[in-house]
Amino acid sequence: GDSVTQMEGPVTLSEEAFLTINCTYTATGYPSLFWYVQYPGEGLQLLLKATKADDKGSNKGFEATYRKETTSFHLEKGSVQVSDSAVYFCALSEPSGAGSYQLTFGKGTKLSVIP
Amino acid sequence: DSGVTQTPKHLITATGQRVTLRCSPRSGDLSVYWYQQSLDQGLQFLIQYYNGEERAKGNILERFSAQQFPDLHSELNLSSLELGDSALYFCASSTDRTAYNEQFFGPGTRLTVL
Repeated sequence: GDSVTQMEGPVTLSEEAFLTINCTYTATGYPSLFWYVQYPGEGLQLLLKATKADDKGSNKGFEATYRKETTSFHLEKGSVQVSDSAVYFCALSEPSGAGSYQLTFGKGTKLSVIP
Repeated sequence: DSGVTQTPKHLITATGQRVTLRCSPRSGDLSVYWYQQSLDQGLQFLIQYYNGEERAKGNILERFSAQQFPDLHSELNLSSLELGDSALYFCASSTDRTAYNEQFFGPGTRLTVL
């Protein structure tokens, strides 16, 4: 079945440092790929997405490129802020025969940014 | 605010009991997904309803069931509760027109089984 593997944290960075969170996936077809973010005490919010190979998703300074050849979707940000402290989840969606688009998530990476 | 509401926010109950979690999707979204977030299993898909009908099942225990009502709100019923059922339960709604439609998550219900 489908699976997502992402680097486990916690990751602690100083403000303005460069961030990379690795994510690789296994899927039978051509999934859509997502990064979701969960701030403390809140539900998940979509951060960015990519729907086909070589697509780059970007939002709020975060970027990730859909790499089919390496089955990866690594999250990057050039300069993190304290407000970026959260848990980041890589996820994929591959339609089932019934037309369901359930998300398969990685285990999440907790990021803490210190001033 | 995602537009998805979940009640209650917290639920504390005892083993063997039954609880009902409620989710109201965003206006216009026909699809509701339920996910369980626990420390050991991470985020797992439980079940999906689309316009009142069950569309997909994931790692949902037989003790758990769900339904979606004509007004599109959904309820997740958990029975014969065990300590291991303690977790955060999220619902998400979507239009589900394509595989890359965003799922909008509610704030979750934190269930504690004592």
